[in-house]
Amino acid sequence: DAKTTQPPSMDCAEGRAANLPCNHSTISGNEYVYWYRQIHSQGPQYIIHGLKNNETNEMASLIITEDRKSSTLILPHATLRDTAVYYCIVRHGGYQKVTFGTGTKLQVIP
Amino acid sequence: SQTIHQWPATLVQPVGSPLSLECTVEGTSNPNLYWYRQAAGRGLQLLFYSVGIGQISSEVPQNLSASRPQDRQFILSSKKLLLSDSGFYLCARGDPGYNEQFFGPGTRLTVL
Repeated sequence: DAKTTQPPSMDCAEGRAANLPCNHSTISGNEYVYWYRQIHSQGPQYIIHGLKNNETNEMASLIITEDRKSSTLILPHATLRDTAVYYCIVRHGGYQKVTFGTGTKLQVIP
Repeated sequence: SQTIHQWPATLVQPVGSPLSLECTVEGTSNPNLYWYRQAAGRGLQLLFYSVGIGQISSEVPQNLSASRPQDRQFILSSKKLLLSDSGFYLCARGDPGYNEQFFGPGTRLTVL
């Protein structure tokens, strides 16, 4: 699976959009971009995934650049409950072995 | 339901003692099952995964082992714990044809 690079930490004001970047310059053509988050002392929670088109669900939006070398997870209106570590992962779609890096610690500030 | 049960929730064990952590899952049969470990301040490390009963793949050589005696049961074991085995252990499931993994609540292990 391709390696990903994320900033170690970010702050976001409550109610504002949180934009979390991820670089995956070695991604291959059949690898998907996944995002998970881990709230303190809990197991990770799936957020969203995509291959090359932008995706949106009830939790977030995923913007993938045209060359697929980077992506951005957008939480449109961050709340205090969104404070967590966010993991960006790339992997083959049909293969579910997932390797997590150290992620980005997002702190939502009142 | 993709509910995952793990127990115990917390555990304090002396160095050199044995370990057995249990994970059971609900939902569709024949899931892929995973054990991860998260050391303090670190990312998740995949330890083992299983695609069926009795089938175990090890990702990291260490003094831990895993077994899958039943379709929905995954066990993490050690004969002699080391201080470095301390961490947050997570069980996860993934289902063929679905993209996301579901994680259990975890077991926090402290080895003294």
